[in-house]
Amino acid sequence: DAGVIQSPRHEVTEMGQEVTLRCKPISGHDYLFWYRQTMMRGLELLIYFNNNVPIDDSGMPEDRFSAKMPNASFSTLKIQPSEPRDSAVYFCASSFGLADSPLHFGNGTRLTVT
Amino acid sequence: AQKVTQAQTEISVVEKEDVTLDCVYETRDTTYYLFWYKQPPSGELVFLIRRNSFDEQNEISGRYSWNFQKSTSSFNFTITASQVVDSAVYFCALSENTGNQFYFGTGTSLTVIP
Repeated sequence: DAGVIQSPRHEVTEMGQEVTLRCKPISGHDYLFWYRQTMMRGLELLIYFNNNVPIDDSGMPEDRFSAKMPNASFSTLKIQPSEPRDSAVYFCASSFGLADSPLHFGNGTRLTVT
Repeated sequence: AQKVTQAQTEISVVEKEDVTLDCVYETRDTTYYLFWYKQPPSGELVFLIRRNSFDEQNEISGRYSWNFQKSTSSFNFTITASQVVDSAVYFCALSENTGNQFYFGTGTSLTVIP
């Protein structure tokens, strides 16, 4: 199994630009999560999907952030317009279940907004 | 209130020493799950172990062992005969059967000095 695949690994962009992060979950996993990791706030859950449907987006910081999951094998997290405070590592994770299954994380996307 | 507390922010040990990473959790659920993750300097988050609330047996996997004690709401992680490759940030996490997300601790940064 290839694991959770995220792209790009690194993204450097200028303030105001649109950023799209991509994720391919592990085949057969029906939950997909987007997390953000910063030194100040640690790991924060942004949004999660179940069977491609967004279930809880209460962690999405503001309207500049949006996430989609058009099918079981692909999800995107978009920031438009990006700001320097969005600089962080963004992780995608997938799992079989919600509470009892471990999250399997991708390698993350390190986003730098200048 | 923090659901998961990892009081040790940073620990340094000399290679071959044993080290214990503490994790204290808080929940009112009777069914819950505890996890440990490792984040090496390369940045990925690696799942190490899952424990459910009904299984208090300690677990050993090679040099790693976990001590789950419901009486003290703790799920501590011990590395025996530490090695340089154990240097990483270790996260403890909790998920509740009635909840919809993982609660991560703030992590403990372990440095093993050769």
